Amino acid sequence: AQSVTQLGSHVSVSEGALVLLRCNYSSSVPPYLFWYVQYPNQGLQLLLKYTSAATLVKGINGFEAEFKKSETSFHLTKPSAHMSDAAEYFCAVSDLNNDMRFGAGTRLTVKP
Amino acid sequence: KAGVTQTPRYLIKTRGQQVTLSCSPISGHRSVSWYQQTPGQGLQFLFEYFSETQRNKGNFPGRFSGRQFSNSRSEMNVSTLELGDSALYLCASSLVGGSSTDTQYFGPGTRLTVL
Repeated sequence: AQSVTQLGSHVSVSEGALVLLRCNYSSSVPPYLFWYVQYPNQGLQLLLKYTSAATLVKGINGFEAEFKKSETSFHLTKPSAHMSDAAEYFCAVSDLNNDMRFGAGTRLTVKP
Repeated sequence: KAGVTQTPRYLIKTRGQQVTLSCSPISGHRSVSWYQQTPGQGLQFLFEYFSETQRNKGNFPGRFSGRQFSNSRSEMNVSTLELGDSALYLCASSLVGGSSTDTQYFGPGTRLTVL
């Protein structure tokens, strides 16, 4: 069965610093991988997704993620953190059955 | 285009009662999926409906059920509520599901509290 593991339930960075949120996946078939962001009391918003077209995926709000098959990773990065990036981030893997499995989430704190 | 809407946004019920949650997908979307989000278990897939048929199901007891109407709107029902059913229930819609080019769009969720 497919699954994702997010390393680090909490990540804290200073404003302007690099953001790196880690995600490793397990899948027996080529995966579709996603990063979602959730702000307090809101649903999930799609940041970006990987569907095998390109290994480096650019998303909204300056985020990007690189699919590395050899490392089974799909880490999310942003060169310069902004206060508005503070939220919870979820990595997810899906198959063609639309059965999406989410990681436990990483709460990002941005310090001024 | 309007996003996914869920009603109600908040619900308080007592143990043993039943509850029905509603989800209206984005116009033109035919696939609706439901998820339960709790601090302890995280986000867990409940089921997916497409063209009024349950196409996929997660590992939840039979107390959790759903249906989809001809206009793609979906309802989720939980019978004989337990304290552990307190959670944020999220609905997501996509065009057809099962496609690498498809994307699930989430609603704001319904927060259910069971007392």
